[in-house]
Amino acid sequence: GAVVSQHPSWVICKSGTSVKIECRSLDFQATTMFWYRQFPKQSLMLMATSNEGSKATYEQGVEKDKFLINHASLTLSTLTVTSAHPEDSSFYICSASSGAGARNQGDTQYFGPGTRLTVL
Amino acid sequence: AQTVTQSQPEMSVQEAETVTLSCTYDTSENNYYLFWYKQPPSRQMILVIRQEAYKQQNATENRFSVNFQKAAKSFSLKISDSQLGDTAMYFCAFSHNNNDMRFGAGTRLTVKP
Repeated sequence: GAVVSQHPSWVICKSGTSVKIECRSLDFQATTMFWYRQFPKQSLMLMATSNEGSKATYEQGVEKDKFLINHASLTLSTLTVTSAHPEDSSFYICSASSGAGARNQGDTQYFGPGTRLTVL
Repeated sequence: AQTVTQSQPEMSVQEAETVTLSCTYDTSENNYYLFWYKQPPSRQMILVIRQEAYKQQNATENRFSVNFQKAAKSFSLKISDSQLGDTAMYFCAFSHNNNDMRFGAGTRLTVKP
């Protein structure tokens, strides 16, 4: 159980175009989904937290107009990188959690396999 | 603000031996969760073990166990009978009430044959 999928696994796009990444919880309802960015040989950097039906909460320094997050259902969240530039090239990882404070793993985040974005 | 510190950037261990990865954290909260995640070369983050702060008993999962010292804010991971497949980056993480999870910088573990 607790499987999270991410699509696509890798994408190459031209500078100035937009890219959408999907994150799905396959066998549980994800009250909260998280989006991270990871640079090579570094830890995960949280970009934003989204709750189903609400606007995402962005971390300081993350441009909300550039990284659009939609969490329309309890099983799907999307991250759209708008007007991508080469500096946006990175590994993007989503995670999903079933609920706050629940003793049955509610605080555990389950991660998708990641999406490698390359902007030319 | 919560912080997580992993002071060992790299470690190595011989196959079948035991290795301990260190993690300390700082928080003013009393109830929280601690995790160890493994990230192999595939870069898929895999949950290794989870500890609830209100539980005094150390969590164990097969060859993986933790030494949770709440007063010292320490949460080390012990891997027994190390296997080649254990080679990966290991991240210690802290979470409180499903707020964002704070990760340490990671420890790169290499299991040598």
